[in-house]
Amino acid sequence: AQTVTQSQPEMSVQEAETVTLSCTYDTSESDYYLFWYKQPPSRQMILVIRQEAYKQQNATENRFSVNFQKAAKSFSLKISDSQLGDAAMYFCAYRSARGSGTYKYIFGTGTRLKVLA
Amino acid sequence: GAVVSQHPSRVICKSGTSVKIECRSLDFQATTMFWYRQFPKQSLMLMATSNEGSKATYEQGVEKDKFLINHASLTLSTLTVTSAHPEDSSFYICSARLGSYRDTEAFFGQGTRLTVV
Repeated sequence: AQTVTQSQPEMSVQEAETVTLSCTYDTSESDYYLFWYKQPPSRQMILVIRQEAYKQQNATENRFSVNFQKAAKSFSLKISDSQLGDAAMYFCAYRSARGSGTYKYIFGTGTRLKVLA
Repeated sequence: GAVVSQHPSRVICKSGTSVKIECRSLDFQATTMFWYRQFPKQSLMLMATSNEGSKATYEQGVEKDKFLINHASLTLSTLTVTSAHPEDSSFYICSARLGSYRDTEAFFGQGTRLTVV
């Protein structure tokens, strides 16, 4: 079975600085997707960024980028120029790209990010 | 992105009664919907996966007779918590996928906070 581990329950960053959130996962599959979701106080899950395992190039979305190390099964999220609105719970998630077609998501335990003004 | 709407956003019910939560995909047809439960400051735990027109597949440890899931149409899935008890109080989130292709994303509803008194 696949597992997703986020070892940082809470992180703090100064506004305008850069912060990196860690995520490791375990799988025997070679074809899968990895995601970072943001959950603000409203509890709405917002997709931040996604990475396909077969793509070696790290995904980027504006101030958000990932460091995907497939061999090490590591998938960290870097937030540059942190803003107050980035404060939220961040979840790392795994989804298989094969199987029956239901493609379940497996979430990590989350990292609470605080942005200090 | 596509919109998934949950209703109600908050509900309080008396112990022993049943409560229904709706999950609608507003601008797309969802072949697969997922139901999650999230305890305070914890991750999302998948409860069940439902495909339109077929019975839901429940995760291990989830009581299917207590958490009834119906996915009667491509735009609506419902979760009914039967004979609710205070320990069922939680935050419930649904998500919906458009199609069954490997790279199709899932979109999340805004969640429903259930309080059983």
